[in-house]
Amino acid sequence: GENVEQHPSTLSVQEGDSAVIKCTYSDSASNYFPWYKQELGKRPQLIIDIRSNVGEKKDQRIAVTLNKTAKHFSLHITETQPEDSAVYFCAARSTGGFKTIFGAGTRLFVKA
Amino acid sequence: NAGVTQTPKFRVLKTGQSMTLLCAQDMNHEYMYWYRQDPGMGLRLIHYSVGEGTTAKGEVPDGYNVSRLKKQNFLLGLESAAPSQTSVYFCASSYREGVGDTQYFGPGTRLTVL
Repeated sequence: GENVEQHPSTLSVQEGDSAVIKCTYSDSASNYFPWYKQELGKRPQLIIDIRSNVGEKKDQRIAVTLNKTAKHFSLHITETQPEDSAVYFCAARSTGGFKTIFGAGTRLFVKA
Repeated sequence: NAGVTQTPKFRVLKTGQSMTLLCAQDMNHEYMYWYRQDPGMGLRLIHYSVGEGTTAKGEVPDGYNVSRLKKQNFLLGLESAAPSQTSVYFCASSYREGVGDTQYFGPGTRLTVL
């Protein structure tokens, strides 16, 4: 069945450094790739997304890249801050599939 | 505009007991979903609904039932709870399931089955 693999499972960086989280999807029909941030004890919230007709999207300190050929997409956070510490989930969805498949999550620690 | 709400926030059950989790949304969304979140496993879809009166199975539907009698509400039922159903349950809704339609999540229900 459809699958989304996410790496690494844990990532620790110094404040000000960059963080990169990578995901791979299996369903070639996937055409929408959202990223969610979940703070401890809170609900997942969308932080950025990308559609399959776009290779890169940026919003201030976060960016997402998509390589459709390789079925890879990545989240890039620059100039990390302690408040970026959270669990990040990637996901993939295909139109009409009625399902969003989530990765297992990456726990990001930003050390001050 | 409350968004997506869930009740209860916490619940402890004994094995074999039943309960219903309620999800409500005030955004007039067509699509609603129930997920469970377990450590290291991300979010897994239990059941979903594409409109009032409709339901469908997700990845992990066994042991759960759902109903969508009103567009704004989506109920998740556990008929005979088991310890394996200890988890955090999230409800979500979206306007539709097209490209770019964001899923909005509720605050979650932490369920423990003893």
